[in-house]
Amino acid sequence: QVQLVESGGGVVQPGGSLRLSCAASGFTLSNHGMNWVRQAPGKGLEWVTYLRSDGSDQHYTDSVKGRFTISRDNSQNTLYLQMNSLRPEDTAVYYCARDWGFAFWGQGTLVTVSS
Amino acid sequence: DVVMTQSPLSLPVTLGQPASISCRSSQSLVHSDGNTYLNWFQQRPGQSPRRLIYKVSNRDSGVPDRFSGSGSGTDFTLKISRVEAEDVGVYYCMQGTYWLTFGQGTRLEIK
Repeated sequence: QVQLVESGGGVVQPGGSLRLSCAASGFTLSNHGMNWVRQAPGKGLEWVTYLRSDGSDQHYTDSVKGRFTISRDNSQNTLYLQMNSLRPEDTAVYYCARDWGFAFWGQGTLVTVSS
Repeated sequence: DVVMTQSPLSLPVTLGQPASISCRSSQSLVHSDGNTYLNWFQQRPGQSPRRLIYKVSNRDSGVPDRFSGSGSGTDFTLKISRVEAEDVGVYYCMQGTYWLTFGQGTRLEIK
């Protein structure tokens, strides 16, 4: 069955970097568009970025443009989110989710940006 | 950007009673392909979001039939015919017609 497992979260200082991973199983990652969605503590859901299935197109919410990069490794069937120049307001649980329909979500990984 | 406005934000309901959540968009969600990309999600405490309804009114596999979605254009509704204890959580609408935005969430609790 479809499974998404995020990892890579942790505590990082403002201005630091972190790379999140989303390991996919039960399907071929390169056949599907993929998203990252985040949720700040006690807050609602915020879409962060999308990668088209053929890898030709990426889109980002304005607050992360120029700082975050979505990518994938087809050989590892894994999606990534490279996060640079992190800010306290980036503190959140980060979820990966499949397709524009968002039928499948991972369990999330917590990123805390704090000095 | 399309703004999604949910109401109410807090919804206390007696077990066995119906519940209704409204979601309004700042512009019509009818896509040029004719579809309306409006989904509903449930997030139980401590869990990831789970999709309940896609494209306004299509219930996902395994979702109890007490959940239903309706609406068109800019006005959408999620209804629970008889609330059960396992329905406690936060419900979000989401539009995928113009990139992607979520509503603020509606917290359902048992009265």
